[in-house]
Amino acid sequence: AQTVTQSQPEMSVQEAETVTLSCTYDTSESDYYLFWYKQPPSRQMILVIRQEAYKQQNATENRFSVNFQKAAKSFSLKISDSQLGDAAMYFCAYRTSWNFNKFYFGSGTKLNVKP
Amino acid sequence: DGGITQSPKYLFRKEGQNVTLSCEQNLNHDAMYWYRQDPGQGLRLIYYSQIVNDFQKGDIAEGYSVSREKKESFPLTVTSAQKNPTAFYLCASSPQAGGLPDTQYFGPGTRLTVL
Repeated sequence: AQTVTQSQPEMSVQEAETVTLSCTYDTSESDYYLFWYKQPPSRQMILVIRQEAYKQQNATENRFSVNFQKAAKSFSLKISDSQLGDAAMYFCAYRTSWNFNKFYFGSGTKLNVKP
Repeated sequence: DGGITQSPKYLFRKEGQNVTLSCEQNLNHDAMYWYRQDPGQGLRLIYYSQIVNDFQKGDIAEGYSVSREKKESFPLTVTSAQKNPTAFYLCASSPQAGGLPDTQYFGPGTRLTVL
């Protein structure tokens, strides 16, 4: 079964600086999808970024980018120029290619942003 | 405004009672999902539905039931058989079933507490 591991329960970053959140996963598949979701205090999950495993190019969305290392099964999220509004729980998620309804979520990383 | 609504935001239940959580979407999405979130853990899939009048068990379906009589609605009933129902419940939807949905979009969640 696929597992997603986020080894950092909590992290802190100074406003305007850069932070990287780690995520590793375990799978025997060659094609799959990876996601980072943000859950602010309102508790609503918001998609931050997605990556398709067959694409070697790392995904980027404005200040958010990923470092996708397929061989190492690593999918880290880099947040540049951190803002106070980035403070939230961040979840890494894996979706299989054969059952698109199955998402596997990590346990989350709480990001604190210091002014 | 298109989106997913969940009601109520907070719900209290006495032991031995069934309770139903509402989830409605006006995004015209085919697939809908229910997740459970416990402190320090990621989301776990309870049930999902790809089309009207069809639904499938997720990883932790015991003690829960669902229906999908309309495309827009996917209510979740937490039955008295669920031994530890206190949790945060998230509903989600995705655009396509039978294909490759882009991702899942989440509602604001319902916090259920058993007294």
